[in-house]
Amino acid sequence: NAGVTQTPKFQVLKTGQSMTLQCAQDMNHNSMYWYRQDPGMGLRLIYYSASEGTTDKGEVPNGYNVSRLNKREFSLRLESAAPSQTSVYFCASSPGRTDTQYFGPGTRLTVL
Amino acid sequence: DQQVKQNSPSLSVQEGRISILNCDYTNSMFDYFLWYKKYPAEGPTFLISISSIKDKNEDGRFTVFLNKSAKHLSLHIVPSQPGDSAVYFCAASRTGANSKLTFGKGITLSVRP
Repeated sequence: NAGVTQTPKFQVLKTGQSMTLQCAQDMNHNSMYWYRQDPGMGLRLIYYSASEGTTDKGEVPNGYNVSRLNKREFSLRLESAAPSQTSVYFCASSPGRTDTQYFGPGTRLTVL
Repeated sequence: DQQVKQNSPSLSVQEGRISILNCDYTNSMFDYFLWYKKYPAEGPTFLISISSIKDKNEDGRFTVFLNKSAKHLSLHIVPSQPGDSAVYFCAASRTGANSKLTFGKGITLSVRP
């Protein structure tokens, strides 16, 4: 039981490049989330998926898209990366009935 | 508009003493509160939670207190250990909000040996 896994762990992009951050959970959770963490800003919700087949915007969705591929996987895509998207990205999941979320180890993204 | 506030960015305590981490919230609709702990280069891990129907929840060395009238909660760690040194996030949610959590900015706790 790996919990929540994220790939890659580190990534460096040039401005304008695109990439997809992958997230998978093996806990049979219904809900999944993408956050970014910036110094002094805490964790801010980018997008979430309350259940398979649904996605909704969070607090800071601009510049991102998401896909809930199936119950296990929830990907985050940057279509045209900008330096302002330099951050640490965390994926999380929750059963859906409770509010406790379980986090992955994070992806550290640098956009030059 | 920050709905969950952790006004002290850092706290330093001596090993064996009590650590008290504070959190305030502004949204009176919040009815569930959580604390997460985060080590460098790792994801946040769930520590302890409390429902608004309670005013205290205890789990080993960790106790969370909720004062609804003051919209304030606190995490007490007794006794503090060097391994407790981490960033602590307070989070809140309200029933029916698809389990969305609103996080504070975090407090860095340093426990001195």
